[in-house]
Amino acid sequence: QKEVEQNSGPLSVPEGAIASLNCTYSDRVSQSFFWYRQYSGKSPELIMSIYSNGDKEDGRFTAQLNKASQYVSLLIRDSQPSDSATYLCAGGRQGAQKLVFGQGTRLTINP
Amino acid sequence: EAGVTQFPSHSVIEKGQTVTLRCDPISGHDNLYWYRRVMGKEIKFLLHFVKESKQDESGMPNNRFLAERTGGTYSTLKVQPAELEDSGVYFCASSQVSTVYGYTFGSGTRLTVV
Repeated sequence: QKEVEQNSGPLSVPEGAIASLNCTYSDRVSQSFFWYRQYSGKSPELIMSIYSNGDKEDGRFTAQLNKASQYVSLLIRDSQPSDSATYLCAGGRQGAQKLVFGQGTRLTINP
Repeated sequence: EAGVTQFPSHSVIEKGQTVTLRCDPISGHDNLYWYRRVMGKEIKFLLHFVKESKQDESGMPNNRFLAERTGGTYSTLKVQPAELEDSGVYFCASSQVSTVYGYTFGSGTRLTVV
């Protein structure tokens, strides 16, 4: 089992709709999770972090963490074409200062 | 504030040749990390410097890879000799403290070995 697993997509969502991105993780990953957005040829950019069970909202973005089920998700409300990118889910490795990434989900928002 | 700078942005080399990638972290960031993404796989950790010391090099794939950070400023990652499976995107990140919470990534070096 991969330590952090994402559906690689591609995921296509109409403009204005809610985009839902999901990620599961193994016991070897800590309880701190991060969502990065990466445009083609650019650096991964941190958009959300979540450490506690439940929801965390920031503007149009909501991160959700369910420790019992070992999944983390990212919801993007009122999706815009500029949200089209690859979204990377990452967790901290237990006892180490490094990130473990999922494969990334390619999201396309259709106007 | 300048971000994390990596160069070259692209490199195409032949199998068996040597390539050196460079990363300039954000000024004042003691922590520097190398990651890479090979085709079709996830981004994976290579190593972590604190100043000029290697804190964790558990992700380095083999002894053809050599990372240095002389003086605790910029870092280089040398691949010698390069193999086809080394092709991918090599990312550098830096942070002020040793934590996974404050990473800033560079835009990466795309390495193609032919």
